[in-house]
Amino acid sequence: AQSVAQPEDQVNVAEGNPLTVKCTYSVSGNPYLFWYVQYPNRGLQFLLKYITGDNLVKGSYGFEAEFNKSQTSFHLKKPSALVSDSALYFCAVRGTAGSGNTGKLIFGQGTTLQVKP
Amino acid sequence: GAVVSQHPSRVICKSGTSVKIECRSLDFQATTMFWYRQFPKQSLMLMATSNEGSKATYEQGVEKDKFLINHASLTLSTLTVTSAHPEDSSFYICSASKGAAYNEQFFGPGTRLTVL
Repeated sequence: AQSVAQPEDQVNVAEGNPLTVKCTYSVSGNPYLFWYVQYPNRGLQFLLKYITGDNLVKGSYGFEAEFNKSQTSFHLKKPSALVSDSALYFCAVRGTAGSGNTGKLIFGQGTTLQVKP
Repeated sequence: GAVVSQHPSRVICKSGTSVKIECRSLDFQATTMFWYRQFPKQSLMLMATSNEGSKATYEQGVEKDKFLINHASLTLSTLTVTSAHPEDSSFYICSASKGAAYNEQFFGPGTRLTVL
């Protein structure tokens, strides 16, 4: 069965410092991986995705994520955090339907990023 | 772009009434739309998947007679919460996909439903 784990409920980082939000996944076959950000009382905004190709994916607002197949991880990173990056971040995975995958988008439990001035 | 809107953004209703939430893809045709429910500080739980012109596919544990979904066109899906009760109070989010399984879903801003 496909699943996503975000091991940290909250990540705290000082403004200007690099940030990492962790995500690991489980899926049969090749995964489609996504990161979304949610601000309070808002829907999700797409940040970036990995489908195939280069393991380092660059997305919106200076975020990037690295696909690591051997570690089944897709950590979200940013070289220099901003206070405005403070939000709830969701990792999601979709596996090709069949072989234990539903073909649906499965979300992690979310990680709250707090960037302090 | 790929913009998805939801209406209303916030609704308060009395127990026993029905509430309709609209989800529209504004600048693209959405072959598939999804409805999620999110409790405070929790992840999104998929309720149902709807394809234009066909019946919605509901997730296990979701009552299809209580949460009526209609996807009448490629730009509009509606979720009707029938005979709402306080436990139905939640944040409902829709998303739309342009088609291929690997394409990202574009999310609406969500609807906060409060049932008194």
